[in-house]
Amino acid sequence: DIVMTQSPDSLAVSLGERATINCKSSRSVLYRSNSKNYLAWYQQRPGQPPKLLISWASTRESGVPDRFSGSGSGTDFTLTISNLQAEDVAVYYCQQYYTTPRTFGQGTTVEIK
Amino acid sequence: EVQLVESGGGVVQPGGSLRLSCAASGFTFDDCAMHWVRQAPGKGLEWVSLITWDGVSTYYGNSVKGRFTISRDNSKSSLYLQMNSLRAEDTALYYCAKDCAAGTLDYWGQGTLVTVSS
Repeated sequence: DIVMTQSPDSLAVSLGERATINCKSSRSVLYRSNSKNYLAWYQQRPGQPPKLLISWASTRESGVPDRFSGSGSGTDFTLTISNLQAEDVAVYYCQQYYTTPRTFGQGTTVEIK
Repeated sequence: EVQLVESGGGVVQPGGSLRLSCAASGFTFDDCAMHWVRQAPGKGLEWVSLITWDGVSTYYGNSVKGRFTISRDNSKSSLYLQMNSLRAEDTALYYCAKDCAAGTLDYWGQGTLVTVSS
């Protein structure tokens, strides 16, 4: 199974500042035939189901604010939240969809400092 | 409007069985693969199972393989999860989610709570 490891487990950021979350996979999720990274990011606000933010490591879903950005390739990925807003308080998960079983990172809690 | 509504959760004794359902609307159900994902109280997300759009292929997480069975009825736009030999560690909120774009879970229901306890 591909193990997804996120860091840090939690972080507190001031409003308007940047939050950076890292995700590392135990093996590459880059499919060489199409040069796509099978890596997604989800946001789970308190009391809500998860919401897909980013697919293919860096493609924002429709309606997701452009302060959310994803980067990385192979085994190392980053979710950056620029200009943090109060509504961004949530737990963020990375997930690989390169193979089954699909696996999630353990989650990173973002709070306001 | 896309809707996924889970039902069938409840309290069950260890070793018991439960069948979850997920009613889908607002999208073309048989265009999409479907997943079950669970979340134990206060914990992270755990992927449970996947079924392809036609129901031909199914996949399971290691912790549920051999005990859970995913199925679907495209004529009813419904997804199911038959859970047997339930254990305390199966206690969780179970979400269904649709996968209409090559693997991502692009919309999730609100979940149904399963509690395994004597």
